[in-house]
Amino acid sequence: EAGVVQSPRYKIIEKKQPVAFWCNPISGHNTLYWYLQNLGQGPELLIRYENEEAVDDSQLPKDRFSAERLKGVDSTLKIQPAELGDSAVYLCASSPGLGTDTQYFGPGTRLTVL
Amino acid sequence: AQKITQTQPGMFVQEKEAVTLDCTYDTSDQSYGLFWYKQPSSGEMIFLIYQGSYDEQNATEGRYSLNFQKARKSANLVISASQLGDSAMYFCAMREGQDTNAGKSTFGDGTTLTVKP
Repeated sequence: EAGVVQSPRYKIIEKKQPVAFWCNPISGHNTLYWYLQNLGQGPELLIRYENEEAVDDSQLPKDRFSAERLKGVDSTLKIQPAELGDSAVYLCASSPGLGTDTQYFGPGTRLTVL
Repeated sequence: AQKITQTQPGMFVQEKEAVTLDCTYDTSDQSYGLFWYKQPSSGEMIFLIYQGSYDEQNATEGRYSLNFQKARKSANLVISASQLGDSAMYFCAMREGQDTNAGKSTFGDGTTLTVKP
């Protein structure tokens, strides 16, 4: 069974530029999460989807971050414009949403903003 | 207040010995779940073990066991017979909410485990 796929793995951009990350969850997983992980810290939830509905986006900085999950499968997280403090690893995870919420993570996208 | 506290930034253990990684949590929910994840230097988070708040027995998965002490709000991870490949960052996480998908998960700041040959 294929795991959670994320691309790109690495991204370097200059501040004020836009950037987008893509995630394809495990087939059949209804719940999808985007996390931000700073160096030496645990992941922090940005947004959680149940199918195509964003059920928890309270931690998403909506002035510059946006996300979508069209058709309830893959998802895109966008930052526009990027700031220096956005440098971090962006993790995507999915879970079956059928009585268990064990999350399965992708390899992450490491963003560097110069 | 921190919902998940991992007080050990770094731990060392000799190969083949057991090690305990500490985790305490804070919640007023009666129904919650506790998780441990491993994050090697490659970066991918790997699920290790899960304990539900109503589970009466401690969870075990191979060499991993979770020492769940509900009254103390602690959920320590025990790794038996440590291997060099166990060297990684370990995160404790909690999911709150009555519905298993109602709440989001909160992660601790992790413990870096180094296994010495």
